[in-house]
Amino acid sequence: AQSVSQHNHHVILSEAASLELGCNYSYGGTVNLFWYVQYPGQHLQLLLKYFSGDPLVKGIKGFEAEFIKSKFSFNLRKPSVQWSDTAEYFCAVMPAGIYNTDKLIFGTGTRLQVFP
Amino acid sequence: GAVVSQHPSWVICKSGTSVKIECRSLDFQATTMFWYRQFPKQSLMLMATSNEGSKATYEQGVEKDKFLINHASLTLSTLTVTSAHPEDSSFYICSARELAGGPYEQYFGPGTRLTVT
Repeated sequence: AQSVSQHNHHVILSEAASLELGCNYSYGGTVNLFWYVQYPGQHLQLLLKYFSGDPLVKGIKGFEAEFIKSKFSFNLRKPSVQWSDTAEYFCAVMPAGIYNTDKLIFGTGTRLQVFP
Repeated sequence: GAVVSQHPSWVICKSGTSVKIECRSLDFQATTMFWYRQFPKQSLMLMATSNEGSKATYEQGVEKDKFLINHASLTLSTLTVTSAHPEDSSFYICSARELAGGPYEQYFGPGTRLTVT
């Protein structure tokens, strides 16, 4: 069965530190990849997505992610975090191409806490 | 931007009663809506996919008779938890996909916290 792993369950950083959150998936075919963020008390919002093309995608609020097909990974990065980045981050995968189901498979999430 | 609302945001009910949760796309038409369940400190688990005017497709292990889904219009889907029990207590989140525009992006509602006593 397809699955998504987020190895970092809880990350604590100081402001201005760099961030990298890991995401690995298990699916051998074509995929669409997503990162969502959930700020405290708010709904899930799309940070960025990858469908095809340049494997380095840029999203909102200075976030970026790199798709490495050989490693089945889609890690999220930000060079300098801010206190306002404190949130829960979810990686999600959607099988694409002929196996597209429009269904998102979510990772377990990473809680990021940023201290001033 | 695309906005999805859910009502109620939280509900407490007694065991054995039924609860209806509404999911609305406020500024776009949604051919497809999805219902998820999120347990504390766990991921979102897809329960069912709802297409306007047709029966919902349930994921394996989800009881269709317990979680009734209706998608009567392009802007409204409802989830009814029938004969609720304490183990149904959870956070229920819906998402909606636009009729036009980006093919795969889903917009999420704020969620409904259900507590069954």
